[in-house]
Amino acid sequence: GAGVSQTPSNKVTEKGKYVELRCDPISGHTALYWYRQSLGQGPEFLIYFQGTGAADDSGLPNDRFFAVRPEGSVSTLKIQRTERGDSAVYLCASSPKDRGDYGYTFGSGTRLTVV
Amino acid sequence: GESVGLHLPTLSVQEGDNSIINCAYSNSASDYFIWYKQESGKGPQFIIDIRSNMDKRQGQRVTVLLNKTVKHLSLQIAATQPGDSAVYFCAENRARGGGFKTIFGAGTRLFVKA
Repeated sequence: GAGVSQTPSNKVTEKGKYVELRCDPISGHTALYWYRQSLGQGPEFLIYFQGTGAADDSGLPNDRFFAVRPEGSVSTLKIQRTERGDSAVYLCASSPKDRGDYGYTFGSGTRLTVV
Repeated sequence: GESVGLHLPTLSVQEGDNSIINCAYSNSASDYFIWYKQESGKGPQFIIDIRSNMDKRQGQRVTVLLNKTVKHLSLQIAATQPGDSAVYFCAENRARGGGFKTIFGAGTRLFVKA
């Protein structure tokens, strides 16, 4: 597609539930990133994929968070046993391989609200 | 610790005036910086970047200045327009795992008064 697509745009879930957030990167972009942005803050790095593998997952806050990218394109961020503190906008970005020096293209994010 | 941060949380300017948004960083090994613009309900949008071997780079109506001595960079927007109203982030790219991880500062909200 023309840009990075994230679905859903909004998600409200109850505390303790499981959620999945989807990211469709720009076609041909091999690098994919997940960030989390809390209100009034800058985006916080979660995980980075190069192709199908997670090259850097150092930003995942705990083992309730997991992300996959099985075919090297679409990625899913999975959050188990959601907590109110997980409420934030989850941003996905992609970039061509070896093109980190051009910045990323971000999607519009998924706003997750845990009630 | 390592951080990329901004001096002011908000900036209000008159339409047509120039805007200057400042940013400090603490990692002296940082060698690549990016400015992003984020409008309400959207993801950050790349504006301009600069490498540490440069001290100035110009784009369309925007200029980024880098002072490595004091670890400071700034974004200058000429003839600020209402469409420039947004949150601006400075960010640092760090090479990790064959790719890059971008570390963002907290952001400065720019208000443009008509």
